Amino acid sequence: DAGVIQSPRHEVTEMGQEVTLRCKPISGHNSLFWYRQTMMRGLELLIYFNNNVPIDDSGMPEDRFSAKMPNASFSTLKIQPSEPRDSAVYFCASSLRTGVRQPQHFGDGTRLSIL
Amino acid sequence: ILNVEQSPQSLHVQEGDSTNFTCSFPSSNFYALHWYRWETAKSPEALFVMTLNGDEKKKGRISATLNTKEGYSYLYIKGSQPEDSATYLCAFRGGSQGNLIFGKGTKLSVKP
Repeated sequence: DAGVIQSPRHEVTEMGQEVTLRCKPISGHNSLFWYRQTMMRGLELLIYFNNNVPIDDSGMPEDRFSAKMPNASFSTLKIQPSEPRDSAVYFCASSLRTGVRQPQHFGDGTRLSIL
Repeated sequence: ILNVEQSPQSLHVQEGDSTNFTCSFPSSNFYALHWYRWETAKSPEALFVMTLNGDEKKKGRISATLNTKEGYSYLYIKGSQPEDSATYLCAFRGGSQGNLIFGKGTKLSVKP
């Protein structure tokens, strides 16, 4: 059974460029989460979706960040324009439902470096 | 602001030692407490989801307890092995629609 699949695994780009991170949740899971992990702040939730609908985006740092989930098997997190302080590891996770006490299953993350 | 605190921040033990660490969380509006194991260069892997005060869960040599009234959970590892070396994260959920709030983890290193 394939887990949560994220791409790319690593991304290095210059400041000001658009960055798009991709996530395929586990089939049958209808909750999807985007997290950012930094040394200073640990693992922080950016946004989560239930049944492809964004429920809480209060963790999205600013308007440069946007996330979409056009269907049950795909989500993107976009940063435009990117800045060096966006450098972090971005994780996507999915679970069966948020309202039920289910664990989250994490992808391997995208390590993003903005120069 | 909800705070989830984990202690210690890091821990070094010898193979065979038993160890435990703590997760503290708000005692009000408790819904669930999650534990994850996170090996370097991998993704967090779910260990336990705990929901009831007094819950005890066990998976092999790893077990966890939960006290929702005082807002803490303990994770125990019996007879630590080098392969137990990882960061152990706890995450608190307050309310059925609440987000998971993660602690910063306890980094465990087990020396052979």
